[in-house]
Amino acid sequence: GAGVSQSPRYKVAKRGQDVALRCDPISGHVSLFWYQQALGQGPEFLTYFQNEAQLDKSGLPSDRFFAERPEGSVSTLKIQRTQQEDSAVYLCASSTYGDEQFFGPGTRLTVL
Amino acid sequence: GQNIDQPTEMTATEGAIVQINCTYQTSGFNGLFWYQQHAGEAPTFLSYNVLDGLEEKGRFSSFLSRSKGYSYLLLKELQMKDSASYLCAVRRITGGGNKLTFGTGTQLKVEL
Repeated sequence: GAGVSQSPRYKVAKRGQDVALRCDPISGHVSLFWYQQALGQGPEFLTYFQNEAQLDKSGLPSDRFFAERPEGSVSTLKIQRTQQEDSAVYLCASSTYGDEQFFGPGTRLTVL
Repeated sequence: GQNIDQPTEMTATEGAIVQINCTYQTSGFNGLFWYQQHAGEAPTFLSYNVLDGLEEKGRFSSFLSRSKGYSYLLLKELQMKDSASYLCAVRRITGGGNKLTFGTGTQLKVEL
């Protein structure tokens, strides 16, 4: 696969459940970004990894959100005790140093 | 803080030319990107400007004026498949990498 892949594509969670969203970046891309996109809005930055180091997590909306990339490749975004306001599309993007970001198809999270 | 403004909606005719404007205010500017996003799909890269002037890429061109905090995306010979949301995004130099800040997107509708 040449592109960024994300799983699951769709996730329905009951309020209070924990969810884990996976991102497989393009092979060799050292930079990995997570964004949150609400309906009708542009993506909003959540967090950034360079290899396994999380260099910027300023966009994470609360301490219920946690991201990791332990081996510098696959990344997981975890949301604990989901709330209705967490419903959105979660996009992952990867890039080489300084180049354009390539986006995955996203995970649409619906919290009931 | 940062502020990125672009029109919410635009309508144009097949075969025509349309210009989508974007204004921004930011510190640490390190480039402006345009992405296309069809409904339910990932944003795809269209163009990138870091220096003033016009970048042409087939039917798409993008212009940047850093002193004015202004960019536009020009789409020529419009096709029905160009109906999509067009996202303007500013890249900033930060301590943790080059994250993107997106506008809310301009929904372009191409009509016969």
